[in-house]
Formats: sequence, C-alpha cells, structure tokens
Amino acid sequence: DGGITQSPKYLFRKEGQNVTLSCEQNLNHDAMYWYRQDPGQGLRLIYYSQIVNDFQKGDIAEGYSVSREKKESFPLTVTSAQKNPTAFYLCASSITGSLGGELFFGEGSRLTVL
Amino acid sequence: GDSVTQMEGPVTLSEEAFLTINCTYTATGYPSLFWYVQYPGEGLQLLLKATKADDKGSNKGFEATYRKETTSFHLEKGSVQVSDSAVYFCALSDEGNTGFQKLVFGTGTRLLVSP
Repeated sequence: DGGITQSPKYLFRKEGQNVTLSCEQNLNHDAMYWYRQDPGQGLRLIYYSQIVNDFQKGDIAEGYSVSREKKESFPLTVTSAQKNPTAFYLCASSITGSLGGELFFGEGSRLTVL
Repeated sequence: GDSVTQMEGPVTLSEEAFLTINCTYTATGYPSLFWYVQYPGEGLQLLLKATKADDKGSNKGFEATYRKETTSFHLEKGSVQVSDSAVYFCALSDEGNTGFQKLVFGTGTRLLVSP
C-alpha cells in the first residue's frame, strides 16, 4: 500500500542533543513537507521541498534542518538550537503544482525533551 | 498573509445531533479550501475540499460550501456518530510569491460525541 511512514513514533531527547526524524513515502510525490503541531496552535510549516536536492524554509525553520537526497525521503533534524522542541511532528507529501492538491500525512512523531 | 480562523472547541454533542464547525478565511487570491480530520494518535486525513466559489465539498455525510461573499467554509453534518470524535482542521491553499501551493491551517476544533 502506498503511503507515508514516519519513525520513530515516540522519541525522547536530552537537552543539547540533536535528533533526526525519518519520513519516507512511496507515493511517487515530488513535494514533501514538515509540520509542527502544538496544542491550540494548529499546524505550522517548518520546511518543504518541491523536488530532490531542493528545499525551502517554512514559517518556523529556526533550529531545524532538512535534506532531500532522494525523492522518497525527507528527514528532519531537530537541533540543539531549537528552544522548545517538544511537539508532535507531521510529515506530508503532495503532487507538486496540482491546484487544490491534497496533502497526504504520516502518523506523526512525538518528540519529548527531558 | 493568508490565514484561517476556526471556532474554538471542544464541541460536545450527543449522538445524532447536528454539527456545525465555523471556518472563515483571509486570502488575497482565490484559494482552494479544505477540511482535514485527525483521529487520536494519527496524522491528518483529507475530509473534503472545494476549489472555487459556490462549490460544495462532501464526504462521509459531512459537507461544506465555499462562500466567497462571506469568506467562509463551514463544516456541517446532519447526524453525528461517536466515531466522528476527532479534531477538525480547516485549511486553505496559499501560492504566495512562489507559485508553489502550501496549506495554511486553522488551529483545529475538537469534536466530542457521546452516546
């Protein structure tokens, strides 16, 4: 079945450590996204990528980094520079350029900083 | 920039009650509008969408009409079930200056349906 796989589902981190969240899709979509979800704030865009080897900052990119070396993969690194990293992180993908296009989401990764 | 405003929750209803979740938007262009649903512990799923004014999106008994004159996209269902308990997000597509569509989400409205 086609879809988006995020791992790990739960992750605990000590302050000062970098962590990487995995996102893999087999939908053959060109575009991929990372959103952060906090209670009462909805979803906020961290980074997005339209094609391989290209990505752009979203609304809250500070303290995060990404790479897009393969079409199927878009990992997110939460660095020690992110001041408040505890959140639920959602990866998504879409067909680039389709008007009114749908986003397909993974099941999310919950990061807790101890 | 573009934005979406949703009614605050939680919305608490009894089974078979009528549901309305309000959503209004601000946009400079002519965005497409969406409702996504998030069940506990899961990612978001597209519930319905409308791509132009006066379009009605519908799915699983839910419907919403794209009202350009009131910049609204309210979600309705005639008879809710316990299984509809979830968080509902209204969203619009925003091309910005890049021509690349991104979704702008509202804050979400939690629906709780009791038997």
